[in-house]
Amino acid sequence: NAGVTQTPKFRILKIGQSMTLQCAQDMNHNYMYWYRQDPGMGLKLIYYSVGAGITDKGEVPNGYNVSRSTTEDFPLRLELAAPSQTSVYFCASSGDDSYEQYFGPGTRLTVT
Amino acid sequence: AQTVTQSQPEMSVQEAETVTLSCTYDTSESNYYLFWYKQPPSRQMILVIRQEAYKQQNATENRFSVNFQKAAKSFSLKISDSQLGDTAMYFCAFMKLTGANSKLTFGKGITLSVRP
Repeated sequence: NAGVTQTPKFRILKIGQSMTLQCAQDMNHNYMYWYRQDPGMGLKLIYYSVGAGITDKGEVPNGYNVSRSTTEDFPLRLELAAPSQTSVYFCASSGDDSYEQYFGPGTRLTVT
Repeated sequence: AQTVTQSQPEMSVQEAETVTLSCTYDTSESNYYLFWYKQPPSRQMILVIRQEAYKQQNATENRFSVNFQKAAKSFSLKISDSQLGDTAMYFCAFMKLTGANSKLTFGKGITLSVRP
C-alpha cells in the first residue's frame, strides 16, 4: 500500500491564481481530512469528508473548496490564492474501525 | 470547543536520558482520545502513542509512555533512553468522540532536540 499520497510536494503561486492540491489513499478509508500547518503552529482542520459525496467544513474553511467523488480521492481547491494561504497542507485518512489518522507527506505552498 | 496547550516551545535532552513533554487540554467532554504525534524534519506526521480517556492505565509504546491525569486535564509524554532520531516536533492532539469518527485538535507543538 502507498498509504496517503499528495501532489505536488511544493508549489509557488502568484496572488489571485488558483490550484488544486491532490490527495489519494489506497486503504479504502471512508474518512478523509485536509489540514494546514502554519509556521510554529499545530495543524488546523480545513475540510473533512465522511464518505464519497459527503464533505463538511472544519475550523478554517474560508478560501478553500473540496469535493469527494470517489472513496480514494479528496482534492482541495484554492481559488484566488492569497498570501495568508502560504502554509504546509496535509491530507489524512482514517478507517471506520479506527480513530488513527494516517497522514500524507504534505504540500508546501507559497503564495507571493 | 476544545483547546490543547503546549506551553514549552523547545526542549533539549542528552542522548540516553529521559525527557517529559507537557500538554494540557480543556474540554467538557467525558469520552475522548488523546494523541502524541511526532513530526521529524521530513515533515511526515507519525503517531507516537494514543490514550483513551475511559482507560485509567497509562499507555506505553516501547520507550514512550504517557502520564494521563484526567481530573487535571493533563497528558504528558515521557521519552526514555532518548535517541538522536527522536529529534523532532511533538504535537499533542485531542479527539472528541462523536459517532464513528471525529476530528483532531492540535496543540502548537514542542521542538525537541536530542544532543549527542
